[in-house]
Amino acid sequence: DGGITQSPKYLFRKEGQNVTLSCEQNLNHDAMYWYRQDPGQGLRLIYYSQIVNDFQKGDIAEGYSVSREKKESFPLTVTSAQKNPTAFYLCASSSQTRQGYEQYFGPGTRLTVT
Amino acid sequence: SQKIEQNSEALNIQEGKTATLTCNYTNYSPAYLQWYRQDPGRGPVFLLLIRENEKEKRKERLKVTFDTTLKQSLFHITASQPADSATYLCALDPSRGNNRLAFGKGNQVVVIP
Repeated sequence: DGGITQSPKYLFRKEGQNVTLSCEQNLNHDAMYWYRQDPGQGLRLIYYSQIVNDFQKGDIAEGYSVSREKKESFPLTVTSAQKNPTAFYLCASSSQTRQGYEQYFGPGTRLTVT
Repeated sequence: SQKIEQNSEALNIQEGKTATLTCNYTNYSPAYLQWYRQDPGRGPVFLLLIRENEKEKRKERLKVTFDTTLKQSLFHITASQPADSATYLCALDPSRGNNRLAFGKGNQVVVIP
């Protein structure tokens, strides 16, 4: 049963703490992405990775960090430097073998920081 | 500045009618455009992709058009059903040559039985 898993579904943290969101895929996709979605807003790209051990900043990378040590995994760390971390976080993957193919999304993690 | 614009007002439509959504973009030259469906609290699901050299694409009750002169894509749901109620997102490639996407804010559709 192929797909993308994100855990946990809901996450609560105190201000000033770093938190890591998990994203795993078994689709054998090369490319993986992290987005943030706020109410009434579109998806904004945080980081993306097109291959293992390589990643690029998206439009709103400040206060976030990622790693891509394995093809299947692309964890996102929300650091204490992120000023407004409360949001719905979505991970996605796509095949990099052909341009313009769809992205497959995980179920999302809703992070609340108080 | 670069923009992807979708109507912020929800589209309320009677069951059986055709719903039409618009996606306009500014200062992009996309090689392709994609449409996704998103239900509340869930990740988007891919629906259709249309390339710059294609005028129209169909999939079951869905139809997408792409006009690179007008810088616009239209998304149609024919014979709409209550189960089609969701938010629909358009997305395009802001940098030709990779699989990165830029998304619009989405347009909610409510199909009234």
